[in-house]
Amino acid sequence: GAVVSQHPSRVICKSGTSVKIECRSLDFQATTMFWYRQFPKQSLMLMATSNEGSKATYEQGVEKDKFLINHASLTLSTLTVTSAHPEDSSFYICSARGQGQGNEQFFGPGTRLTVL
Amino acid sequence: QKEVEQDPGPLSVPEGAIVSLNCTYSNSAFQYFMWYRQYSRKGPELLMYTYSSGNKEDGRFTAQVDKSSKYISLFIRDSQPSDSATYLCAMGSGGSNYKLTFGKGTLLTVNP
Repeated sequence: GAVVSQHPSRVICKSGTSVKIECRSLDFQATTMFWYRQFPKQSLMLMATSNEGSKATYEQGVEKDKFLINHASLTLSTLTVTSAHPEDSSFYICSARGQGQGNEQFFGPGTRLTVL
Repeated sequence: QKEVEQDPGPLSVPEGAIVSLNCTYSNSAFQYFMWYRQYSRKGPELLMYTYSSGNKEDGRFTAQVDKSSKYISLFIRDSQPSDSATYLCAMGSGGSNYKLTFGKGTLLTVNP
């Protein structure tokens, strides 16, 4: 149980385009989803927290107009990187916490974004 | 001082060795503690979750928490080459804030 998927696993795009990453909880309802960014050999950096049906809460320094997060259902959250630039290239990982699951977060496999 | 300190390693051990991974923290508000394993280019996988001082065992893994010293450990017995990965400690303060604070991760290699 507690499986989280992400799609796509890898994406390459041109500078200035927008990219959407999907995060799905496959076998539980995710009341809270988190989006992280991870640079090589670095730890996870929380970007934002989203609760189903509510606006996402962004961490300090994260541009909410650039990283659009939607959590429209209990099993799906999306992260859209708008007007991507090469410095947005990174490994993006989502996690989900389900109702009644306590404080554990279950992570997706991650999406490798490369902006040319 | 960072909220969570974790030695990044790398740590290299022979197969069968006992591995000890550690994190210290400064925020006394942290109430629960987790250990994640992350293989290269993959998402973290939850290994252990504890919320009280003491030991918790699951197979070859033992998580230890000492809240008075603000110190947590993960022990791996009979380490296997498949245990080679980065191990991340994570902690949270509870309540309605479910955010986790992560250590930098320790890169472990178990040599056959």
